[in-house]
Amino acid sequence: DGGITQSPKYLFRKEGQNVTLSCEQNLNHDAMYWYRQDPGQGLRLIYYSQIVNDFQKGDIAEGYSVSREKKESFPLTVTSAQKNPTAFYLCASSTGQGARSTDTQYFGPGTRLTVL
Amino acid sequence: KNQVEQSPQSLIILEGKNCTLQCNYTVSPFSNLRWYKQDTGRGPVSLTIMTFSENTKSNGRYTATLDADTKQSSLHITASQLSDSASYICVVSSSGGSYIPTFGRGTSLIVHP
Repeated sequence: DGGITQSPKYLFRKEGQNVTLSCEQNLNHDAMYWYRQDPGQGLRLIYYSQIVNDFQKGDIAEGYSVSREKKESFPLTVTSAQKNPTAFYLCASSTGQGARSTDTQYFGPGTRLTVL
Repeated sequence: KNQVEQSPQSLIILEGKNCTLQCNYTVSPFSNLRWYKQDTGRGPVSLTIMTFSENTKSNGRYTATLDADTKQSSLHITASQLSDSASYICVVSSSGGSYIPTFGRGTSLIVHP
C-alpha cells in the first residue's frame, strides 16, 4: 500500500519543549516537503529536500530543523525557538523532476500540534 | 513576488446546485496549475492539473479552466454533493528557478442538504 504517512495525528506539548514530527513515504520520491497551515492562510513552506542528505530552508524555517538521512524519511523538529508552534503540519513528496506537469505533490494526512 | 489569489473566501450552496471557484495568479514564468481538495483535518488531494497549452480539464463533476493570457483559472463543480464540502486550493508552479509551487489560501465550500 503506497503512500505518505505522518505520525502522530495529534500532538500536545508543553511550551519550551522540542518535538519531532514523523513523515515517511514509500513512493520512491526524491523530493520531500514540510508545510505549515494556519486558519485562513495558504500553506507555507518550512523546509524541503530534493535528495538524501540535502535540504533547503523554505519561507518560514526559523525555529524548525529537519534531517534527510534516508530517502523515505523526512522528520521535522519544532524547537523551543519557534514562537507560535501551534498549527497543522503537512508533509508532502514528489518525484522531484522540477516544474514538469507530472510532478504532483502528494500530501500526508497531517499532524495537528498544540503547544500548551 | 509570485502570488495566487482565490475567491470567494467561502461559499455556501445547496446540495445539487453548481458553483464556480476563481483563482488569479501572478506566477511567472508559468509552468502548471493544480486544483487540490482538502477535507477538514486531512491533507490536500490533487483534482486536476493543467499546463500552458491546456484550457480545460475535467475530473468527474469537477471541471477546471485556464486562461494563461489573463492568468486566471476557475474550478466548476456540477451537481454538488454533501461530500464536496471542503477547502479547494489553487496551486501554481513556475518553470523558472526553484520549482516550489505557490499556494492560494483556498476557498471553503459548504454544501447544505
